[in-house]
Amino acid sequence: EAQVTQNPRYLITVTGKKLTVTCSQNMNHEYMSWYRQDPGLGLRQIYYSMNVEVTDKGDVPEGYKVSRKEKRNFPLILESPSPNQTSLYFCASSPLQGYEAFFGQGTRLTVV
Amino acid sequence: DAKTTQPPSMDCAEGRAANLPCNHSTISGNEYVYWYRQIHSQGPQYIIHGLKNNETNEMASLIITEDRKSSTLILPHATLRDTAVYYCIVRPSGSARQLTFGSGTQLTVLP
Repeated sequence: EAQVTQNPRYLITVTGKKLTVTCSQNMNHEYMSWYRQDPGLGLRQIYYSMNVEVTDKGDVPEGYKVSRKEKRNFPLILESPSPNQTSLYFCASSPLQGYEAFFGQGTRLTVV
Repeated sequence: DAKTTQPPSMDCAEGRAANLPCNHSTISGNEYVYWYRQIHSQGPQYIIHGLKNNETNEMASLIITEDRKSSTLILPHATLRDTAVYYCIVRPSGSARQLTFGSGTQLTVLP
């Protein structure tokens, strides 16, 4: 089954404690991205990657890092999380020339 | 990307057709219309896309006006599971990259 898998689904952490949210896709897609979703602000793109070792900033990259060492994986790293990064996060993938983006189930992060 | 305008909310009776409008009056010739939906806090789900011709798949139909300034997503027989936020997105070329989500339309299907 074609899917994008994120882990963990839920996470509560404390300010400043580094964390990583993993994302993996099994469709051999070149393009992967991370979004965050906040009430009243909708879905906003954080980072994206067009292929292995190619990443770039989206609309709200501050406080986040990503890496793309393998085609299937695109982890989101919060080096020093802060409460304003409390949000619902989604990973997505698509072929570079494809019409359909596939989204993960989401990770609900709370930073206290 | 061209800006889209959607009504914030709509209701539809179960079993009836749900018609969700979208205005995109500044759309350019190479821009496609995409529709996604998001069922409560789940990841967005692709529904359909089109350039200028009407399109139909197993989920929905997409009707694009001749001047391409607006479109309508039609769910022919809405069910309770179709209750979701529906997003109309316009973007260049046939690519799913860098989707810009607006506020969408909250569709509530009523029993």
